Amino acid sequence: NAGVTQTPKFQVLKTGQSMTLQCAQDMNHEYMSWYRQDPGMGLRLIHYSVGAGITDQGEVPNGYNVSRSTTEDFPLRLLSAAPSQTSVYFCASSYQVSGGTEAFFGQGTRLTVV
Amino acid sequence: RKEVEQDPGPFNVPEGATVAFNCTYSNSASQSFFWYRQDCRKEPKLLMSVYSSGNEDGRFTAQLNRASQYISLLIRDSKLSDSATYLCVVNAGGSYIPTFGRGTSLIVHP
Repeated sequence: NAGVTQTPKFQVLKTGQSMTLQCAQDMNHEYMSWYRQDPGMGLRLIHYSVGAGITDQGEVPNGYNVSRSTTEDFPLRLLSAAPSQTSVYFCASSYQVSGGTEAFFGQGTRLTVV
Repeated sequence: RKEVEQDPGPFNVPEGATVAFNCTYSNSASQSFFWYRQDCRKEPKLLMSVYSSGNEDGRFTAQLNRASQYISLLIRDSKLSDSATYLCVVNAGGSYIPTFGRGTSLIVHP
């Protein structure tokens, strides 16, 4: 069972470079989201999607774009990397349970911007 | 005020101890609650859901207090392997995306 697959696991970028973090899920979940995790800050929501073709901003969307052309894929694009974007990025997919959602996470991408 | 607040700890306890964490939430419309566990440098994973009537899974007990807007996690007979960060998750009614607390760090020592 693949679950949620994120690539790459590690990445080093130079300031100003762009890149795309890939996220794919094979559980047919409607909801997908991207979080960043920084020391002492917990998981902060960047962007999310409630279905193919629908995306919305989370708590910290600046500097990132997303798209959701299929149910399975939810890539996160860094437009022009900055050192402040050095972080661990988690993609999650979730489904509805009893009025809420249960989330399944990818293994994370450790990004360093120099 | 953050929507979901947790004491970051760390809680440093000996093996065999009982330890409890609380998590407060600000949105009174919140409808579902979970505890996730995150090991060092790993992704968060669901530990247990928190039901209105409370629920127990082995050494772990989760409870909800709607009047005071907090949830709790009790761990009995702590094991070294319980060392991790415990994340509180809250879903407001109609929200599809979980809101996470910052997590509480637990260190169980011999």
